[in-house]
Amino acid sequence: DTEVTQTPKHLVMGMTNKKSLKCEQHMGHRAMYWYKQKAKKPPELMFVYSYEKLSINESVPSRFSPECPNSSLLNLHLHALQPEDSALYLCASSQDWGAWETQYFGPGTRLLVL
Amino acid sequence: RKEVEQDPGPFNVPEGATVAFNCTYSNSASQSFFWYRQDCRKEPKLLMSVYSSGNEDGRFTAQLNRASQYISLLIRDSKLSDSATYLCVVPCPSGSARQLTFGSGTQLTVLP
Repeated sequence: DTEVTQTPKHLVMGMTNKKSLKCEQHMGHRAMYWYKQKAKKPPELMFVYSYEKLSINESVPSRFSPECPNSSLLNLHLHALQPEDSALYLCASSQDWGAWETQYFGPGTRLLVL
Repeated sequence: RKEVEQDPGPFNVPEGATVAFNCTYSNSASQSFFWYRQDCRKEPKLLMSVYSSGNEDGRFTAQLNRASQYISLLIRDSKLSDSATYLCVVPCPSGSARQLTFGSGTQLTVLP
């Protein structure tokens, strides 16, 4: 079952709100990723977790805070976001963290910041 | 030169047509490649992996030309359901990056 789930599907938040995005996979994958995708653009990597440890932070502003509570779960905590942060946030996972590993994407959370 | 370049299209083709997309990459050390498709407002889904000179899966054929550093995707007998954006994805093999570099995507619309 190659499935990555994400909740919520849609999220509207104000600039002073705190919210969290959740991602879950039960494929035994040890690498998990957060991407941000704006309309008509490719996904941009934000964070990589490998074996539950943060391995890459692509210079993401601190208003985005990732968390990996266990090997199946990945959260993205949001605080004091800006309207330009509105985008589709995609979670992905792969068997291991490697350049040639196939990544499986979740359906994404569509975020609107007002 | 961009790390991964694709013709953004859009490609509008009639049903049953054959269509080909090209993707060029700059890192000559890249060893494997992926084509993902992304439907409107959906997540990217893996279409094909390319590890050697090419790969074929039904109506889809991916070819790799290492000398010229490009990958192509050929779709034969296009179906309406093939309408999507096709993303060329090149792993960055060097150092500790080990991440995927996405092309900007090629939009395909198959017309009835």
